[in-house]
Parts: sequence; structure tokens; C-alpha cells
Amino acid sequence: DAGITQSPRYKITETGRQVTLMCHQTWSHSYMFWYRQDLGHGLRLIYYSAAADITDKGEVPDGYVVSRSKTENFPLTLESATRSQTSVYFCASSGVRRRTSTDTQYFGPGTRLTVL
Amino acid sequence: AQKVTQAQTEISVVEKEDVTLDCVYETRDTTYYLFWYKQPPSGELVFLIRRNSFDEQNEISGRYSWNFQKSTSSFNFTITASQVVDSAVYFCALCGGYNAGNNRKLIWGLGTSLAVNP
Repeated sequence: DAGITQSPRYKITETGRQVTLMCHQTWSHSYMFWYRQDLGHGLRLIYYSAAADITDKGEVPDGYVVSRSKTENFPLTLESATRSQTSVYFCASSGVRRRTSTDTQYFGPGTRLTVL
Repeated sequence: AQKVTQAQTEISVVEKEDVTLDCVYETRDTTYYLFWYKQPPSGELVFLIRRNSFDEQNEISGRYSWNFQKSTSSFNFTITASQVVDSAVYFCALCGGYNAGNNRKLIWGLGTSLAVNP
């Protein structure tokens, strides 16, 4: 049972480039979330999805795009990366499934993104 | 408005000391859920506990215990006989009930950084 994975784990890119961060979960959880974590700000929600083809903005959505064509995948795209998007990005999922606590968010290992 | 406050930004203790991490929350929902997560130096976020608002029983898991008091809107976390491996940032979070506008979103505290020194 792989759980929830993110790729890449580390990424360095340049200002203006498009970057896609991948998130994959094997629990068939209906909900998925993207957060960014910055010193002094804790965890801030970027986007979330209640089910395939249903997404909505979180607290800090500007500059990001998401899609969810399949339940298990929830990619996050930075359309034109900026230095302020340098951060650690976490994907999470939650739902009602065996071996996971109901409606608890389980996190991937994170992606450390640096925008030069 | 919903809010989670972890007033202790950093705590430093010596191994084997007991330590309590405070969490105070605000919500108008009658049904809600509280969580604690651990983020060790390696960076991953690890789920520790989920507590429902209608269940005020305290919980103990090994050296970890949680004290939930609705009267003071607090959900405190105690580590007994702390160990160096307990060094991490600990986050408290609130999910304010499953109404249409909530969508299982969590309200996070800013975390408490715990350093356990040998």
C-alpha cells in the first residue's frame, strides 16, 4: 500500500518557466489538497478537490493551476514560476477507506521547489 | 471565524522531562474535529491523532497523551519522558464540521517547535 507520493522531491527552475508537481494516492480518497509551507506562515492551502473534476481555490491560489481528471492524481502547475513561489509543497488526501482514519488528511513527502 | 492558536513557538527540554504543547481553538460549529500532526527534521507530516468534538475522553498512546477540554476550547498534547526522537514541529489543526462550505478543509496552527536535548 504505497499511500500518497509526490514527484519530483526536489526541483530547481528559473523564473518564468512552467513547472508541474505531481501527486498520486492509492487509497481512492475523494479529497485531495495542495499546501505550501513557508517559514512563519505555517501550512497554507493552495487548492483542493472534493472529487474528480471538482476543484476549488484555497487561501493562496494565485499563480497556480490544478486539474483532477482521475481520482488518484492531483497535479499542481505553476504557469510562470516566480521567486515568491520558492517553497515546500505538500499534497494530502482524505476520505473514507480502510486502514486510514476517516476524513483525516494524509500527506505526501513534499516537494522542495526553488525558483531562481 | 475559525482559528487555531499554538502560543508556544519554541520549547526546549532535556531528555526524560515531560512536556505539554498547548492548542486553543475557536469555532462556532457544534460538530468539529481536532488533529495533531508531527513534522520531524526530515520534513514529512505525520498524523498523530484525530478527536471528535462529541468525544471528550482523553487519549493515551504510549508516551503521548491528549487532553481535550471543550469548556476551555483546548486540545493539549503531552509527551511523557521525552526523547531526542520527539524533536519536531508539532501542528494542531481544526476541521469545522462537514457543512457545504467546509469541504474537509483544515485550519492550522503555526506549530510548536520542540527540541529535546540529551
